[in-house]
Amino acid sequence: DTGVSQNPRHKITKRGQNVTFRCDPISEHNRLYWYRQTLGQGPEFLTYFQNEAQLEKSRLLSDRFSAERPKGSFSTLEIQRTEQGDSAMYLCASSLAYTDRNYGYTFGSGTRLTVV
Amino acid sequence: TQLLEQSPQFLSIQEGENLTVYCNSSSVFSSLQWYRQEPGEGPVLLVTVVTGGEVKKLKRLTFQFGDARKDSSLHITAAQPGDTGLYLCAGANAGNNRKLIWGLGTSLAVNP
Repeated sequence: DTGVSQNPRHKITKRGQNVTFRCDPISEHNRLYWYRQTLGQGPEFLTYFQNEAQLEKSRLLSDRFSAERPKGSFSTLEIQRTEQGDSAMYLCASSLAYTDRNYGYTFGSGTRLTVV
Repeated sequence: TQLLEQSPQFLSIQEGENLTVYCNSSSVFSSLQWYRQEPGEGPVLLVTVVTGGEVKKLKRLTFQFGDARKDSSLHITAAQPGDTGLYLCAGANAGNNRKLIWGLGTSLAVNP
C-alpha cells in the first residue's frame, strides 16, 4: 500500500466549470475525510465517511459541493459552478475507526485547485 | 465549540536556535497529535500524546501534554533548515471520536 493517493495533483479551471477530485485511501482504513486548506492555515473540515456512509458534512459546505464513497473504498469530491473563492488545496485523509486517537490520520498530497 | 489555539502563528529563526510552539484549549482532549506539513504536501503525523503530563521525544523535538490535557507544547532544540514547515496540532475529543479538532498552525522558517 502506497498511502493515500489523490488525483489530480493540480487543477486549473475556469469559473463556472465543474471539477471532480479523487481520493484512494489506505485499503484497510474505513474512515475517509475531506479537508480544504488555504495557504498557511490549518485544514478546514469538509466531510467525513465511515465505509460508504457520509456521516458528517460541514455547515460551511455549500450545496455546490458533493462527495461520494460508493463502495467504501475510493471517494470523489465534486465542486459544481466553481468560484474563485474555491481556490485552495483539497486534502483527503484516511484512518482506521477507533484508532485515530493514537495513530492519527494519513493524508494524501492534496489537489491544488485554481479557479481563474 | 471546541477550539485549539496555536502560538505563535509565524516564527522565523536562525539555524541553531531553540523554539517552543504552543497549542492551547479550554477543552479537555483524550489525545493530542502534532503534524508537520511541507509546502505542497499533506500533513504528516509526528507524535500522539495521550496521558496528562506525558513527554515524548523525537530526536531534537520534545512534545509535552499538559497535566489537564488541555494544552500541549512542541520544543525544538538546535533548529535546522530541514525543520521548516507548518506545524499543526489536532485534538481528539473523548466524547466524539469522529474527527479531530485542528489548530490553525505555526509556520516555522529556519534560516541557514
